[in-house]
Amino acid sequence: DVKVTQSSRYLVKRTGEKVFLECVQDMDHENMFWYRQDPGLGLRLIYFSYDVKMKEKGDIPEGYSVSREKKERFSLILESASTNQTSMYLCASSLVVTRSYNEQFFGPGTRLTVL
Amino acid sequence: KNEVEQSPQNLTAQEGEFITINCSYSVGISALHWLQQHPGGGIVSLFMLSSGKKKHGRLIATINIQEKHSSLHITASHPRDSAVYICAVGLHNTDKLIFGTGTRLQVFP
Repeated sequence: DVKVTQSSRYLVKRTGEKVFLECVQDMDHENMFWYRQDPGLGLRLIYFSYDVKMKEKGDIPEGYSVSREKKERFSLILESASTNQTSMYLCASSLVVTRSYNEQFFGPGTRLTVL
Repeated sequence: KNEVEQSPQNLTAQEGEFITINCSYSVGISALHWLQQHPGGGIVSLFMLSSGKKKHGRLIATINIQEKHSSLHITASHPRDSAVYICAVGLHNTDKLIFGTGTRLQVFP
């Protein structure tokens, strides 16, 4: 079974702090994704990585950056946390089979509160 | 207008009832996904389908490509089915998904 793990289930940070969210997958997947989930808005893509050191902005990249130094690990960085970044953060990964095969496997989520 | 619309947003049912959740989309897709999210956050994939119908236990998913519509049915619902059900579509030539806002289902004993 594919396993996607996230470093924390719950996190509380102060405004202005630098925050690191870590995601690790154990199935050698090429693609990794970071989403945030807010009530009434569904999942929104922050950043996407299709290979080591490769990244692509999603729909809401402002205020975030990412790092993928190893294939299994994808980090989301909040350079200076703000209260409007309080949210549930979900990581996912997927295997590149064909361009029409796009099943994603999700981590358990990190609920971040910025005070 | 969202590219993926789900209805209803909230649904309550008594144990044993037949449940239907609907998903409509406005873009050309390579596949449609139904996902389940229990309280606590983790999301699991229930179905990925590009045509016809799939069944897994008490869950049935159907898709009509011409009408750009999919339904998720739960037969003999149980309180453990209480969760948020999310519809997502995959576009051609991309690994990304577009998500609906989810349907929150509560099944009471």
